[in-house]
Amino acid sequence: KAGVTQTPRYLIKTRGQQVTLSCSPISGHRSVSWYQQTPGQGLQFLFEYFSETQRNKGNFPGRFSGRQFSNSRSEMNVSTLELGDSALYLCASSSERGALRRYFGPGTRLLVL
Amino acid sequence: QKEVEQNSGPLSVPEGAIASLNCTYSDRGSQSFFWYRQYSGKSPELIMFIYSNGDKEDGRFTAQLNKASQYVSLLIRDSQPSDSATYLCAVRGGNEKLTFGTGTRLTIIP
Repeated sequence: KAGVTQTPRYLIKTRGQQVTLSCSPISGHRSVSWYQQTPGQGLQFLFEYFSETQRNKGNFPGRFSGRQFSNSRSEMNVSTLELGDSALYLCASSSERGALRRYFGPGTRLLVL
Repeated sequence: QKEVEQNSGPLSVPEGAIASLNCTYSDRGSQSFFWYRQYSGKSPELIMFIYSNGDKEDGRFTAQLNKASQYVSLLIRDSQPSDSATYLCAVRGGNEKLTFGTGTRLTIIP
């Protein structure tokens, strides 16, 4: 089985722009969660989607949004980028909501200049 | 107080020795506890999880959970250079959110 894939792998944007990141979960997995990883804050939970519905949300501003499609693929969008949004964005898939095992993708490294 | 706290390290352990990694959490309603390993430049991978008080062993790894003390630990026996990585403790609360600690960087010295 193919693992979790994320595109693009690297991205450079400037302040004020917006960005959309994509995550394709493992085939058959229906739950996708997103995390932001920075050296100072570590891994922080953004949101979780299951069956096209947001099930959980972390403490991030409204500039961060996401969605999930009927094929379980998920996208996250960050609008009005700030320098502090520079981070590694990881998505993780699991077979069901609440499943104990989550499989992380390789991440998208975003640099905001 | 952070929800999940870990000593950032670095923790240096001689090859063949036991590495002990610790984690405390603040939410008493937490239900499940996880240890992830993250190699530099890679994404986290699950090593093991535990949800009952006591010890759980998997090969060279043992997870220990003490809910009364809100404490989780990971022991790595017979440490190998390939165990050098950052170890992330994660806790799932009653709201099913997975909260990570900032990780402990472990270096195994040959």
